[in-house]
Amino acid sequence: DADVTQTPRNRITKTGKRIMLECSQTKGHDRMYWYRQDPGLGLRLIYYSFDVKDINKGEISDGYSVSRQAQAKFSLSLESAIPNQTALYFCATSDFRGGNTGELFFGEGSRLTVL
Amino acid sequence: AQSVTQLGSHVSVSEGALVLLRCNYSSSVPPYLFWYVQYPNQGLQLLLKYTTGATLVKGINGFEAEFKKSETSFHLTKPSAHMSDAAEYFCAVSERDSWGKLQFGAGTQVVVTP
Repeated sequence: DADVTQTPRNRITKTGKRIMLECSQTKGHDRMYWYRQDPGLGLRLIYYSFDVKDINKGEISDGYSVSRQAQAKFSLSLESAIPNQTALYFCATSDFRGGNTGELFFGEGSRLTVL
Repeated sequence: AQSVTQLGSHVSVSEGALVLLRCNYSSSVPPYLFWYVQYPNQGLQLLLKYTTGATLVKGINGFEAEFKKSETSFHLTKPSAHMSDAAEYFCAVSERDSWGKLQFGAGTQVVVTP
């Protein structure tokens, strides 16, 4: 089983619908991230969380919200989806204990299409 | 703010030939540097990273990269390409106090021809 699991893997929805992408991890890491991948733009940070009580906006947080339900769970929501939110979304984790340098461990991605 | 530039969005190499992927960054102090690889329909996985110490870093699958502070570069190489190297490669940087927040380049798609 994957250490970082994302659901759903693929989703097609319509403009204005609310969408939630879920991420769970078994790595025991304290830090979790949501990134968005667009062709030619690489990955951009949406939100990140260093623990359950710590949520921070990233580079492109407008139109998104997150919830850290537990150390192992981090959800991304689109309250009212729009077509330019069509993208591949990645959840990632990292662990700074023991002097780790912030290497990210990625899930397999959630492909979202907004019509 | 940091930025990462990867030269070439697509690179085609022959099997057995040298793979060279270029990455330049802008940062006021030497950052942490990473190369990630993404195979089709998969998430990203770490190839190698530079944090401190030796500037030539060896990673998985025969890849290596050299940190050159004077050139603000972290180019990725592999002496002999294999068909299984076909993937997208991302260079990323992280400031030393940014706690895992990475700035990614746009990516380079590598095609390996027989």
